[in-house]
Amino acid sequence: EPEVTQTPSHQVTQMGQEVILRCVPISNHLYFYWYRQILGQKVEFLVSFYNNEISEKSEIFDDQFSVERPDGSNFTLKIRSTKLEDSAMYFCASSEGRQSGANVLTFGAGSRLTVL
Amino acid sequence: GNSVTQMEGPVTLSEEAFLTINCTYTATGYPSLFWYVQYPGEGLQLLLKATKADDKGSNKGFEATYRKETTSFHLEKGSVQVSDSAVYFCALRSSGGSNYKLTFGKGTLLTVNP
Repeated sequence: EPEVTQTPSHQVTQMGQEVILRCVPISNHLYFYWYRQILGQKVEFLVSFYNNEISEKSEIFDDQFSVERPDGSNFTLKIRSTKLEDSAMYFCASSEGRQSGANVLTFGAGSRLTVL
Repeated sequence: GNSVTQMEGPVTLSEEAFLTINCTYTATGYPSLFWYVQYPGEGLQLLLKATKADDKGSNKGFEATYRKETTSFHLEKGSVQVSDSAVYFCALRSSGGSNYKLTFGKGTLLTVNP
């Protein structure tokens, strides 16, 4: 069964460092997403991406965050200067299309980011 | 705005017990409702969904019915197994506006003991 692959599974970084989280979405999917879950809190939407541009972003997704699809397979989330509060599990997801009402997202296993 | 409230966990049951995980929502219009499950070390997997009022989603013995009058989408299973141990997330997506964004609950950890 096709799956979304995320790397690394766990990254530890120092505050102020740049971090890049990588995702390989399902090959025929057109829409890509990042979500995050701070420990003990809800899974939160960060950003959606379609046709090489951001479709929607939340208020969490500020200037410190950026996304990119550098080639035909990878989808990356970059945090320029990490803060302690960026520590979370980051989930990548992709979907085939934008069918009204029933669009199903396939999620990766997540990348745990720990900022010290 | 949209929101999802799930019953607080963790929930611990014995094998073959009946499971209910409550989920209520607040949304405008007619959202689609989902249950996702996360097994240890894996990603969020869609368990079941319902796209309109009175629809019943079902999969792997789990069921949930879209109740517009009570704005609920409670997850049930008649007889749980050890392999059902996981975190369960209730989620919605609005019918209007963005089709991309899911709003999740906090998740409920279920542990089933043999």
